[in-house]
Amino acid sequence: DTGVSQNPRHKITKRGQNVTFRCDPISEHNRLYWYRQTLGQGPEFLTYFQNEAQLEKSRLLSDRFSAERPKGSFSTLEIQRTEQGDSAMYLCASSLDRTNTEAFFGQGTRLTVV
Amino acid sequence: QQQVKQSPQSLIVQKGGISIINCAYENTAFDYFPWYQQFPGKGPALLIAIRPDVSEKKEGRFTISFNKSAKQFSLHIMDSQPGDSATYFCAAGNGGYNKLIFGAGTRLAVHP
Repeated sequence: DTGVSQNPRHKITKRGQNVTFRCDPISEHNRLYWYRQTLGQGPEFLTYFQNEAQLEKSRLLSDRFSAERPKGSFSTLEIQRTEQGDSAMYLCASSLDRTNTEAFFGQGTRLTVV
Repeated sequence: QQQVKQSPQSLIVQKGGISIINCAYENTAFDYFPWYQQFPGKGPALLIAIRPDVSEKKEGRFTISFNKSAKQFSLHIMDSQPGDSATYFCAAGNGGYNKLIFGAGTRLAVHP
């Protein structure tokens, strides 16, 4: 399967714990995005990488959230001191470095904070 | 100004009918308008996209109509099939990269 891969698919954690998600983009895609989707809503943009550089972060990305993309390949999204409001589907997408080019989404990681 | 408003929230259509979903935006800087289809447990998948220099784009049974002056665009699904039952999201971006603003989604059910 050469699509965007996200792991784990599901994560249940206790409030206050730290969690980390991984995204492996399509291999030739140098743009990578993280979105968050809550139940019944559309995805909301969190952050964007061009290769290893994090070029934009949404105000939704509080200081408890950090994303990295070492060497411009896979990316990780870490949430520290999780809160119940962090429960959501975290989606990763990747695209080529072209204007108006399709963003391919992974299947997401569903986080439940109990 | 960054919102994309989508309607209806849910839609029931008989097999063979036409499904119509509408979206409106405020930010005139948007220049890329994709529609995504999402099945339960899956990530969104691009269905069709349009740029504001054309008023209509058709791909198979799917058509986007775009009204730049009204800042509105819509998705038409012709000959709707039960396999089209999914949640549809409109989105808008300003082209440089895929920082997309999504609508809230329309849950479509096509009954046989």
